[in-house]
Amino acid sequence: QQQVKQSPQSLIVQKGGISIINCAYENTAFDYFPWYQQFPGKGPALLIAIRPDVSEKKEGRFTISFNKSAKQFSLHIMDSQPGDSATYFCAANIPGTALIFGKGTTLSVSS
Amino acid sequence: DVKVTQSSRYLVKRTGEKVFLECVQDMDHENMFWYRQDPGLGLRLIYFSYDVKMKEKGDIPEGYSVSREKKERFSLILESASTNQTSMYLCASSQSGSLNYGYTFGSGTRLTVV
Repeated sequence: QQQVKQSPQSLIVQKGGISIINCAYENTAFDYFPWYQQFPGKGPALLIAIRPDVSEKKEGRFTISFNKSAKQFSLHIMDSQPGDSATYFCAANIPGTALIFGKGTTLSVSS
Repeated sequence: DVKVTQSSRYLVKRTGEKVFLECVQDMDHENMFWYRQDPGLGLRLIYFSYDVKMKEKGDIPEGYSVSREKKERFSLILESASTNQTSMYLCASSQSGSLNYGYTFGSGTRLTVV
């Protein structure tokens, strides 16, 4: 019940295309859902985050869609660029505890 | 520029050695965390701390301990290193009491136990 299930494990997208990464959870006590981006040799960095009282949040080319009834949330990267090639992690948090991360998605954007 | 600094980028240790991984943050954050990252397994929480001298076990604490004597420093200790502890270790910090739960990660320590 504490897990966050992330898919796909890897993704190849053409430059200019839309990248979509999905996550699902079971525990309804989660109240914060961030996405982290990690480049090789670096630690993960916060990309965008959402709370369950909104269904969508957009920051530039990055959008989180949140479906509370389905207990799913997804990251959409519009107009994907080679510089977006990285590993993406979804995560979830219960207040007072540490973030629980998904297993990660390796995104490759081909030029 | 705010930072989480991990003392070693790469480390090679022998089986049975006691290993110390150091992490320092300069953001005056209350919370600090240790995760290990393995391919296909994502980030798994080892220990975290919400205050000086305070620690909480994460999902995989076996074989590890931690120390937090000062607010800015959080150390991960491998009591007797084993080959299955070969991994990337990531330290993170975050501010308590904020609606922004964003973690700031260090660049990681890649530990190889031979």
